[in-house]
Amino acid sequence: GAVVSQHPSRVICKSGTSVKIECRSLDFQATTMFWYRQFPKQSLMLMATSNEGSKATYEQGVEKDKFLINHASLTLSTLTVTSAHPEDSSFYICSARPTLGRIGAGYTFGSGTRLTVV
Amino acid sequence: DAKTTQPTSMDCAEGRAANLPCNHSTISGNEYVYWYRQIHSQGPQYIIHGLKNNETNEMASLIITEDRKSSTLILPHATLRDTAVYYCIAHSGYSTLTFGKGTMLLVSP
Repeated sequence: GAVVSQHPSRVICKSGTSVKIECRSLDFQATTMFWYRQFPKQSLMLMATSNEGSKATYEQGVEKDKFLINHASLTLSTLTVTSAHPEDSSFYICSARPTLGRIGAGYTFGSGTRLTVV
Repeated sequence: DAKTTQPTSMDCAEGRAANLPCNHSTISGNEYVYWYRQIHSQGPQYIIHGLKNNETNEMASLIITEDRKSSTLILPHATLRDTAVYYCIAHSGYSTLTFGKGTMLLVSP
């Protein structure tokens, strides 16, 4: 089945530094990938839609200059949290749907990245 | 995506069937009913989806009412590893997935 690999699974960084999170589709191509954020005891909130070869689409309230998204190939999207602050500490999750999948096929999610900014 | 309503939490004894309801009274004709679950500190896992017919796979069964305004996810023999938050989402397959609060299912010994 479709597998999405997300790395790292856990990262601790100092306030003011940047952190890059990778999301790879291992056995399928994904024109579009999605980035979510989840705070404790809350549901997933969509941050942005990542499109291969073009600019990402950000949800309202998400700072595009702070959360840089690059989708340079059909199997890799990256999220960089720039100048991280403690309030950016969260669980970040990516997902993808196969480009050639049938209509209605389920989305596959990465295992998530726990970011802690100290 | 149409709004869905789920109970906040449910309990189930290990080995028994877990029946998780979902209301989606405003679902449109081209929207599927998707079910995902999220085990603590992991990414969501796809379970099953359907349009109007009942569906079954190795994980669960999905029963959709004839008017498509509600559905039930059935885990036939719940185990402790099925403890998770279960999300019911009405989705056309073209737009982004929007997660509600889901149902926290606790399976007890």
